[in-house]
Amino acid sequence: KAGVTQTPRYLIKTRGQQVTLSCSPISGHRSVSWYQQTPGQGLQFLFEYFSETQRNKGNFPGRFSGRQFSNSRSEMNVSTLELGDSALYLCASSQQGINEKLFFGSGTQLSVL
Amino acid sequence: QKEVEQNSGPLSVPEGAIASLNCTYSDRGSQSFFWYRQYSGKSPELIMSIYSNGDKEDGRFTAQLNKASQYVSLLIRDSQPSDSATYLCAVNSGGSNYKLTFGKGTLLTVNP
Repeated sequence: KAGVTQTPRYLIKTRGQQVTLSCSPISGHRSVSWYQQTPGQGLQFLFEYFSETQRNKGNFPGRFSGRQFSNSRSEMNVSTLELGDSALYLCASSQQGINEKLFFGSGTQLSVL
Repeated sequence: QKEVEQNSGPLSVPEGAIASLNCTYSDRGSQSFFWYRQYSGKSPELIMSIYSNGDKEDGRFTAQLNKASQYVSLLIRDSQPSDSATYLCAVNSGGSNYKLTFGKGTLLTVNP
């Protein structure tokens, strides 16, 4: 079985721009969750999608949004980028949700200049 | 108060020793507890999950949960150099707005 695939691997953007990240979960997994990882704050939960519905959300501003498609693939969007948004963005998939084993993708490294 | 706190590292142990990693959490309603291992430059991978008080053993790893003390730990017996990594404690708070909260991690180094 293929693992969780995230694209692109690296992104460089400037302040004020927006960005869309993509995540393809393991086949059969219906839950996709997103995380931001920085050296200062560690790994922080952004949100979780299950069957195309956002089920849970972390403490991030509304500039961070996402969606999930009928094939369980998910996208995350960040609008009006700020320097502090520079981070590794990880997505994870599981069969039923974040209360079980998560399989993480390799992440998208976002740099905001 | 931080929601999930881990003992500050780095933690260095000799090969063959027991490594003890600790984690405390603030939400008494928390229901599920996880330990993830993250090698440098890699993504986290699940080592252990524990849902009820007591010990849970899997090979060289033992997770211990004490909900009354809001404490969860991970013991690694017979530590190997390949265990050198950052260990992340994750807690799933219960209720209608359940979310997964990670500690900042403890860097473990096992010296040959």
